[in-house]
Amino acid sequence: DTGVSQNPRHKITKRGQNVTFRCDPISEHNRLYWYRQTLGQGPEFLTYFQNEAQLEKSRLLSDRFSAERPKGSFSTLEIQRTEQGDSAMYLCASSLSADTQYFGPGTRLTVL
Amino acid sequence: QKEVEQDPGPLSVPEGAIVSLNCTYSNSAFQYFMWYRQYSRKGPELLMYTYSSGNKEDGRFTAQVDKSSKYISLFIRDSQPSDSATYLCALASYNTDKLIFGTGTRLQVFP
Repeated sequence: DTGVSQNPRHKITKRGQNVTFRCDPISEHNRLYWYRQTLGQGPEFLTYFQNEAQLEKSRLLSDRFSAERPKGSFSTLEIQRTEQGDSAMYLCASSLSADTQYFGPGTRLTVL
Repeated sequence: QKEVEQDPGPLSVPEGAIVSLNCTYSNSAFQYFMWYRQYSRKGPELLMYTYSSGNKEDGRFTAQVDKSSKYISLFIRDSQPSDSATYLCALASYNTDKLIFGTGTRLQVFP
């Protein structure tokens, strides 16, 4: 399968713990995006990388959130000191251009 | 006012019906228009994208954009039960890669 992959698919954690998610983009794609989706809503943009450079961050991305894309390949999204409001589906997408972003299956986070 | 408005549905139609899904937007800077399909607990799947006003057809799907009215539509002909999903419109402007999504319309096609 050459699509976007995300791990883990599900994560249950206790409030206050740190969690890290991984995204592996489609191999030739130089752009990588993180979005968050809550029930009944469309995805909301969090941040975006072109190669290893983080070019844009949403105001939704508080200082508890950090994303990296070392060497312009896979990316990680870390949430520190998780809160119940962080419970959501975290989606990763990759592309060669803005208009054709291909999404992975997502990581569903539940914070107890 | 939200940048993109989309009727959440649910929309329930019989198999074979023509389905019309719509979004309106307020920011004239949007230049790219996309439709995604999302099955329950899955990631969004890109169906169609277009840049200009007018129609774009792909099989049973037609995307329509009216920039003067700030209105986009997705038509599904000969709808099938397998089309049952949530359909999301997504828009982007020239100066950013950020997609702005509608809330999604849940569609159910019954046999």
